[in-house]
Amino acid sequence: QQPVQSPQAVILREGEDAVINCSSSKALYSVHWYRQKHGEAPVFLMILLKGGEQKGHDKISASFNEKKQQSSLYLTASQLSYSGTYFCGTRRPGSGNTGKLIFGQGTTLQVKP
Amino acid sequence: DGGITQSPKYLFRKEGQNVTLSCEQNLNHDAMYWYRQDPGQGLRLIYYSQIVNDFQKGDIAEGYSVSREKKESFPLTVTSAQKNPTAFYLCASSTRASGRVDEQFFGPGTRLTVL
Repeated sequence: QQPVQSPQAVILREGEDAVINCSSSKALYSVHWYRQKHGEAPVFLMILLKGGEQKGHDKISASFNEKKQQSSLYLTASQLSYSGTYFCGTRRPGSGNTGKLIFGQGTTLQVKP
Repeated sequence: DGGITQSPKYLFRKEGQNVTLSCEQNLNHDAMYWYRQDPGQGLRLIYYSQIVNDFQKGDIAEGYSVSREKKESFPLTVTSAQKNPTAFYLCASSTRASGRVDEQFFGPGTRLTVL
């Protein structure tokens, strides 16, 4: 039931691009993306609600393919501050207003100078 | 400033002891959550509460208990029945408006170590 993230880890040089995928075996209502620095609280990045919808913030964007039950997070022209562990959290249809999320295992991103 | 506070930041306990982790929010959020984080396993839901005096078990509730007597507070007790309690514990909250899907705001976490 837990969504699967890939890759598990990625190392980049500053300015390079990366894609992090989140796949579910179950139908999804929404996908939430968070970034966590070591020992700190996860920080919200974005929510995707509709199939095929793509959202973005600065050089970080994401897409949600409802039919394929997956979401992808795109980091372009990566900066040192992008380093951390990225989690996707998924909500299934019919989960009502519980707000309950199921999180993937995380993808560790390291950006080097 | 609105936010979520968790205390203490680090907690040590001896085997067989119960311990309570504090979580307070002043965001006026109805829903609150407790997660456990272990290396390589992401965040796993322990308990969640949508409204005062009501809460539901998450995926790994065994060995834990909660209460929700006030909207602002959602303490988690790790009991001696929890077999492997050493972990990083995160509290979160969100609004609970009908028809909306809102982000969860996380507290700074409590790192519990059982000696």
